[in-house]
Amino acid sequence: AQSVTQLDSHVSVSEGTPVLLRCNYSSSYSPSLFWYVQHPNKGLQLLLKYTSAATLVKGINGFEAEFKKSETSFHLTKPSAHMSDAAEYFCVVSYTGGFKTIFGAGTRLFVKA
Amino acid sequence: DVKVTQSSRYLVKRTGEKVFLECVQDMDHENMFWYRQDPGLGLRLIYFSYDVKMKEKGDIPEGYSVSREKKERFSLILESASTNQTSMYLCASSQTLGLENTIYFGEGSWLTVV
Repeated sequence: AQSVTQLDSHVSVSEGTPVLLRCNYSSSYSPSLFWYVQHPNKGLQLLLKYTSAATLVKGINGFEAEFKKSETSFHLTKPSAHMSDAAEYFCVVSYTGGFKTIFGAGTRLFVKA
Repeated sequence: DVKVTQSSRYLVKRTGEKVFLECVQDMDHENMFWYRQDPGLGLRLIYFSYDVKMKEKGDIPEGYSVSREKKERFSLILESASTNQTSMYLCASSQTLGLENTIYFGEGSWLTVV
């Protein structure tokens, strides 16, 4: 069965320090993997996506993620957190042309001044 | 730029009212979706459509219906609103073209049923 697990429900970092948001998936197929960000009272904005090209994917706002098939992971990183990064982040797995989409439970990122 | 527009951002409706949530996308996408998002429950798929006049039930279709008369527009209908339908509703669209299946979301519609 397909599933997505975001390993941390909350992550707190200080401004200027690295960010790591962890995501593991299980799949019998080669999925498409995405990270979305949701700021308060807003929709989900696409940060980056992996669709079987390069395993290191660069996204917007300095975020990147590395697809590791052996570990079935797709962790999101950023070298230096900014206050504006405080939001909720969703790891998403999609199969069969987007008709089967599984959302992680979300990780809320707090950034301390 | 990709654009999914939900015309109503905040609504307050009374129990038993009929509610329409409208969504328009300007990307000529074939697929459109309605989700609801609740604290602790995440995003849950209500309905989706892969073509004009076509619709498929998602995980929680009870109490909802949808309409897709034009490719760019996908409406969610609450025939008789109830308080347990108070939620944030998200519309989304996607294109199925080879490996491209990115889902694009609207800004969300906050519905309160009193």
